Amino acid sequence: DQQVKQNSPSLSVQEGRISILNCDYTNSMFDYFLWYKKYPAEGPTFLISISSIKDKNEDGRFTVFLNKSAKHLSLHIVPSQPGDSAVYFCAASGSTTSGTYKYIFGTGTRLKVLA
Amino acid sequence: NAGVMQNPRHLVRRRGQEARLRCSPMKGHSHVYWYRQLPEEGLKFMVYLQKENIIDESGMPKERFSAEFPKEGPSILRIQQVVRGDSAAYFCASSPTGQPNEQFFGPGTRLTVL
Repeated sequence: DQQVKQNSPSLSVQEGRISILNCDYTNSMFDYFLWYKKYPAEGPTFLISISSIKDKNEDGRFTVFLNKSAKHLSLHIVPSQPGDSAVYFCAASGSTTSGTYKYIFGTGTRLKVLA
Repeated sequence: NAGVMQNPRHLVRRRGQEARLRCSPMKGHSHVYWYRQLPEEGLKFMVYLQKENIIDESGMPKERFSAEFPKEGPSILRIQQVVRGDSAAYFCASSPTGQPNEQFFGPGTRLTVL
C-alpha cells in the first residue's frame, strides 16, 4: 500500500526553465510534508517542508505547494540549474497512535536539467 | 559540526553471515531512524529509536533484523543470516526531537549479499 506516490519516475527540463515535481498521498492524517534531494552514493538532503496549515512555502528557487483537498503537493524549482539534477523524494509525516512521527517516502523522481 | 556518520559505507557478506551497520547521529540528536532503499524504490522506514529504547519498529522484518541505540556509542542495525534479498542501501537519519522536523541523513551503507 503506497501511501505516498510520485508517479513520474523521471523528468527532463532545460536549464533556466521551471521544474515541477508532483507527489500524491492517500492518508488524510498526514500533516507535515518534506522534499529531499539525493545525489548518487549520498544520503538524502533536506530541501524544503510544509505544514498542513499552509498551502505554500518558498525558499529561494524552491517553492512547495500543498493542496489538501486533492491530497497533492508539488515542488517548483525556478530557474532550474544543472546542479539540480538529482533524485527528489517527497515524504509525508503524521502522528502515529503512539504519538510518534515517522516519514513515509515516495519512490522518487529523477530530475535531469539540460544545459 | 559533523553530520550523521555511517560505517561501513560498503559491506559485502555471503549468504548466512551477519551484517552489522553502525550509525552515529549528529551531536545533540537523541532520535535515530533507519531506512532501507531497495534498487529502483524509495526509502522504506524500518525502525525509530531513542537512547536505549525502541520507539517504533513497525517497518522491521519480524525475523533476522534487530536494532539498538545504547546509552553510549552508535546505533547498530544487525541483520543475521543475510540473504540476497537483503542487498540494499541502508540509511540512518537523526533528529533533535521526535517532532516532524527535518531528519538529517547519513551517507548510507550499501550492503551486497553474494
